[in-house]
Amino acid sequence: GQQVMQIPQYQHVQEGEDFTTYCNSSTTLSNIQWYKQRPGGHPVFLIQLVKSGEVKKQKRLTFQFGEAKKNSSLHITATQTTDVGTYFCAGGNQGGKLIFGQGTELSVKP
Amino acid sequence: DAGVIQSPRHEVTEMGQEVTLRCKPISGHDYLFWYRQTMMRGLELLIYFNNNVPIDDSGMPEDRFSAKMPNASFSTLKIQPSEPRDSAVYFCASSLRTDTDTQYFGPGTRLTVL
Repeated sequence: GQQVMQIPQYQHVQEGEDFTTYCNSSTTLSNIQWYKQRPGGHPVFLIQLVKSGEVKKQKRLTFQFGEAKKNSSLHITATQTTDVGTYFCAGGNQGGKLIFGQGTELSVKP
Repeated sequence: DAGVIQSPRHEVTEMGQEVTLRCKPISGHDYLFWYRQTMMRGLELLIYFNNNVPIDDSGMPEDRFSAKMPNASFSTLKIQPSEPRDSAVYFCASSLRTDTDTQYFGPGTRLTVL
């Protein structure tokens, strides 16, 4: 079945450093979504990408969808302590369900 | 809208007891999802409904787990009998029109089975 793999599983950075998490699917996706879960909280939707090669920005966050629509990345520039949490990608397959990756847990040292 | 509502927020029970988790999706959303989250296994989809009908229950771990959606505004996830390995955070989520639409998660129920 369809799998969505996310790496790394954990990332520890110093405040001000950049952070990137990668998401790879075994099949072509119809869309990719990104969610953030704060410690003790629930996943919250960040953004959705639909088009091949699409790039979207939200302040310090940059999201990319690969040309083949099988991979995606989330890049955070100059991390802050408020960025702490687990970032999940979720891939949509036409006619199927949304498959969540395992998440990347980000910790930021002040 | 109040968002997805789950109850209880915390549940502590003893092995062998029946546990019922409740969820009220966002009004007007056609899809409802039940997830389980643990450190070891991450976020797992257990079952999801479309217009109150179960579509995919392949993630339900075993027969001890059952889920119902008697109407568009209410769903339950029942574990009977519960076991310590069922300890986890259980999330309910809903989405508007398709199973790949944005999902809105509830606050979760933290279940501890002693």
